Amino acid sequence: NAGVTQTPKFQVLKTGQSMTLQCAQDMNHNSMYWYRQDPGMGLRLIYYSASEGTTDKGEVPNGYNVSRLNKREFSLRLESAAPSQTSVYFCASRGKIWEETYNEQFFGPGTRLTVL
Amino acid sequence: GQQLNQSPQSMFIQEGEDVSMNCTSSSIFNTWLWYKQDPGEGPVLLIALYKAGELTSNGRLTAQFGITRKDSFLNISASIPSDVGIYFCAGREANSGYALNFGKGTSLLVTP
Repeated sequence: NAGVTQTPKFQVLKTGQSMTLQCAQDMNHNSMYWYRQDPGMGLRLIYYSASEGTTDKGEVPNGYNVSRLNKREFSLRLESAAPSQTSVYFCASRGKIWEETYNEQFFGPGTRLTVL
Repeated sequence: GQQLNQSPQSMFIQEGEDVSMNCTSSSIFNTWLWYKQDPGEGPVLLIALYKAGELTSNGRLTAQFGITRKDSFLNISASIPSDVGIYFCAGREANSGYALNFGKGTSLLVTP
């Protein structure tokens, strides 16, 4: 049980380039999320998917697109990268926690993206 | 989403000391969570609180859901070097679905 995995771990892009960040979870969770983390800003929600086949915008969706490929995978795409998108990106999925009464978010290890 | 007010922003303490940090919101929450992020890793859930006044422990960590439902605090007793990291509070407003609001984090450094 690997939990939430993300690839790549690090990436450097030039302004205008495109790329897709991959996320997968093996916990059979329905809901998945993409966040960005900037210094001193905490975590901000980019997009989320409540279930397979649905996606919704979060707090900061501009410049991003997402695809819920299947129940396991949720990808984030930057069509034309900008320096303002330099950040650490975290994927999360939501499922039962230790008490098994409530559901909360489990995070992947992150992708560190630099746009030059 | 609403940004939570988390304080202090950073703490630099000696091993063995107790630590206290808190988080406040301008609206009523029905869930408070505390996550820890180790350097270069993703946040890991430490404690979850769902009832006003609830006090919950996880080893040396203790967190409380404020009576007003607008705040929460986290205490770490007898800190050790592996407590180093960033601690985030997160909360969920009633009727907001499953969306979480996050604090900006408290960076904790522990010297031996």
